[in-house]
Amino acid sequence: EVQLVESGGGLIQPGGSLRLSCAASGFIVSSKYMSWVRQAPGKGLEWVSVIYGDGSTNYADSVKGRLTISRDNSKNTLCLQMNSLRAEDTAVYYCARMAGRGFDIWGQGTMVTVSS
Amino acid sequence: QTVVTQEPSFSVSPGGAVTLTCGLSSGSVSTNYYPSWYQQTPGQAPRTLIYSTNTRSSGVPDRFSGSILGNKAALTITGAQADDESDYYCVLYMNSGIWVFGGGTKLTVL
Repeated sequence: EVQLVESGGGLIQPGGSLRLSCAASGFIVSSKYMSWVRQAPGKGLEWVSVIYGDGSTNYADSVKGRLTISRDNSKNTLCLQMNSLRAEDTAVYYCARMAGRGFDIWGQGTMVTVSS
Repeated sequence: QTVVTQEPSFSVSPGGAVTLTCGLSSGSVSTNYYPSWYQQTPGQAPRTLIYSTNTRSSGVPDRFSGSILGNKAALTITGAQADDESDYYCVLYMNSGIWVFGGGTKLTVL
């Protein structure tokens, strides 16, 4: 079964760091485009970052320079290193497998709360 | 900054049909934007309905279809059912290599 399971969310103070993971099963993460999408409480979806099969990456302007997407091929896992966190980064973070430049498989999400 | 536009809300009668749209604040949506559509109920992860304009995701019934209508992408739902009551989001792929979501449409079935 194709599945994505996120972990690593929690409560963190402004300026702090957090690392999210997304464990994949049923497919090879490095063979697909993979993205992170977030949703602030009561708000809509916001694309955050993508990693392509060749390892190249891209980011939304709102997170550029603070969030870093990567893969751990040995664990078949997608990661998101989050630094210099701000209150506006508070959201549920979803990882998503991509197909046809859309998102086809989603994880259940992990909540990140940035607050003092 | 590019804004992707969606109707904030829409209503449809059970058994009826509805078309939700996805546009751009400036310019027209074409297949080059690879429009895709997602359904989300409160507290749940999004569910993929359509990607690459009109390709249904696995397991999605053919009551859901995607297209380009005029200068917008469109999601048409026919034979609306009570459990179609959800938020619907579109997303467009920009040539700068980023994706931009619309604000979502809250669909009510009544």
